[in-house]
Amino acid sequence: GQQLNQSPQSMFIQEGEDVSMNCTSSSIFNTWLWYKQDPGEGPVLLIALYKAGELTSNGRLTAQFGITRKDSFLNISASIPSDVGIYFCAGHPNFGNEKLTFGTGTRLTIIP
Amino acid sequence: DAGVTQSPTHLIKTRGQQVTLRCSPKSGHDTVSWYQQALGQGPQFIFQYYEEEERQRGNFPDRFSGHQFPNYSSELNVNALLLGDSALYLCASSLSRLYEQYFGPGTRLTVT
Repeated sequence: GQQLNQSPQSMFIQEGEDVSMNCTSSSIFNTWLWYKQDPGEGPVLLIALYKAGELTSNGRLTAQFGITRKDSFLNISASIPSDVGIYFCAGHPNFGNEKLTFGTGTRLTIIP
Repeated sequence: DAGVTQSPTHLIKTRGQQVTLRCSPKSGHDTVSWYQQALGQGPQFIFQYYEEEERQRGNFPDRFSGHQFPNYSSELNVNALLLGDSALYLCASSLSRLYEQYFGPGTRLTVT
C-alpha cells in the first residue's frame, strides 16, 4: 500500500527561524493535507491542497503540492513557541478513495 | 460552531473485554472516519461511515466494528481487547466527498 515518508524526522530550531519539511510518496496522490498535532490531542488541519503545483498559504505557513504529485512541502516562517508539535502530511491516493494515509511525522522543537 | 467531540477522554480496560467509543461530527458534516494512533506514529485508518453504512475499511480485524446513527454521530466498538489495542482513537468528520477531515481530541484507550 501507499506510504508517506516525511523528512526530517525531527527539527531543533531557534525562535524566529524559518522551517522547511517535506513529504514524499511512492505513488501519486490527488490531495495533500497538512496537520499539526500537540501531545494528547487530535491533529488540527493547517492547509489542504488539491491541484499539482498549487501553492497555498495560511498565515506564516505555506504548503505546495508537488508537480509530480508524489510530494508536498510545508514551510513555516519566523517560528514562534506555539509552533512546537508534530506535523503530519496526509493524502488521498485517488479520487473516490476516502482513506486518508498519514506520513511518519516531523517533530518540531524550539530551542530557548 | 461545535467541532468534533469524542467520549470518553480516557478509558482503561482489561484484555478480553469490549469497549465502545463515541463521536459527534462537526456541525454540518455527514461522514465520520475512525483512526488508531499508536504512540509515536501517524494515525492509521480503521473505517469510514456515510449514510449509516461502512463505506471503506482499513487493515483492521473484524473485532473492530462501527455504527453511524441518523444524526451522523458514530460509535467504534472493539471486542476481545488485546494489549496491542492500546492507542489513541481518533474520530474525524468531513462533508461527504470533500477531503478535508477534521479531527476530534481522541479517546486514549489503555488495555491491561
